[in-house]
Amino acid sequence: DTGVSQDPRHKITKRGQNVTFRCDPISEHNRLYWYRQTLGQGPEFLTYFQNEAQLEKSRLLSDRFSAERPKGSFSTLEIQRTEQGDSAMYLCASSTMGTGVQETQYFGPGTRLLVL
Amino acid sequence: GQQLNQSPQSMFIQEGEDVSMNCTSSSIFNTWLWYKQDPGEGPVLLIALYKAGELTSNGRLTAQFGITRKDSFLNISASIPSDVGIYFCAGLSNFGNEKLTFGTGTRLTIIP
Repeated sequence: DTGVSQDPRHKITKRGQNVTFRCDPISEHNRLYWYRQTLGQGPEFLTYFQNEAQLEKSRLLSDRFSAERPKGSFSTLEIQRTEQGDSAMYLCASSTMGTGVQETQYFGPGTRLLVL
Repeated sequence: GQQLNQSPQSMFIQEGEDVSMNCTSSSIFNTWLWYKQDPGEGPVLLIALYKAGELTSNGRLTAQFGITRKDSFLNISASIPSDVGIYFCAGLSNFGNEKLTFGTGTRLTIIP
């Protein structure tokens, strides 16, 4: 169990550029979540996958945001035409879902995005 | 988005003191989780609670799942310098809605 990993850890970009983040969940975890955290706040849910299926998207996830989990393992979160308001910590979490298994989400170290 | 009410917002204590913080919600949750977050890092799970009334310990940490399922508290006994950080509660409803709803956080500072 190597934990949830995220790449990159930090990203600085200019307004209008596209950025993509990657998350590798704990192996065999079938659920993967994306959250966004701004300074002084708790994380807020963006979207989640069960295997490769994206099952829920928050209203926070504008049309400029897209997330994929093509093979049910790692996931990517892309932000197109970044805006300064997109500056935040983007957190990935994973969990396992099954009969008799209680839900617990484990977080990665996050990707801190700064849009200039 | 919705965030749970967590108090106190910040605490300044001396090493060795006990700490207590709580989290309340207007909605029922079936799971309560407590996380600690250090600057620039992701939240680290401390304690998970799955049943109303449940009291669970993890070393010097003790957490309880409120009987109404709308609140939870976390106690830290005999604080040490590495306890410094931000503590978050998070609730999960499990009613087909799998997202965690987080509290606003409690920042713990230890005064030398």
